[in-house]
Amino acid sequence: DIQLTQSPSSLSASLGDRVTLTCRTSENVGEYLNWYQQKPGRAPQLLVFKGSALQSGVPSRFGGSGSGTEFTLIISSLQLDDFATYLCQQSYSLPYTFGRGTILEIK
Amino acid sequence: QARLVESGGGVVQPGTSLRLSCVVSGVTLDRFAMHWIRQAPGKGLDWLAQSSVHGDIKFYADSVKGRFTISRDNANNTLYLEMNDLRPEDTATYYCVSDYDSSGVGWFDPWGQGTVVTVSS
Repeated sequence: DIQLTQSPSSLSASLGDRVTLTCRTSENVGEYLNWYQQKPGRAPQLLVFKGSALQSGVPSRFGGSGSGTEFTLIISSLQLDDFATYLCQQSYSLPYTFGRGTILEIK
Repeated sequence: QARLVESGGGVVQPGTSLRLSCVVSGVTLDRFAMHWIRQAPGKGLDWLAQSSVHGDIKFYADSVKGRFTISRDNANNTLYLEMNDLRPEDTATYYCVSDYDSSGVGWFDPWGQGTVVTVSS
């Protein structure tokens, strides 16, 4: 199974900050890396698919990049609604696997 | 806008069975491959199973292969997960999840709200 490692595991940031979250995969997954946002007690929501494609309805302050084994999710200017857990997931091969997440907290 | 609503969770004893249901509204189920994904308390997400649009092709995680069965009734817009020989480690919130596409591209949107399964004696 492909392992996904997210860093940092948690991050404290302020409103308006630009933050960069990283996901590394144990094997080359090409562009098949997706990002989700999850809030406590809620199901995840798709933010970015295929590395950099923004899901419909997701604000443009979110952006994904990367390929191969290293990927990033950038939030350009943090808003209150953005404080949540961010998860990456590979769709390159079965079984689909997820990272353990980065918890983004308010400083 | 698709809406997915799971039901069927509960508290069960080890070794018993449970069937989860997921009713899809807002779209016809036969447009999408479908998945079940679970999240144990305080843990990460585990993909469990995938069904093709017509239910003829299925994939499973090793952890549930032979115990869990995914199925679908497109006429009634309902996805199922039959779970047998339940173990304490199956305790989790179970999510019904739509694939982004009919072909099963492997990214997930939307998700249901989840149904909680607790396996305990």
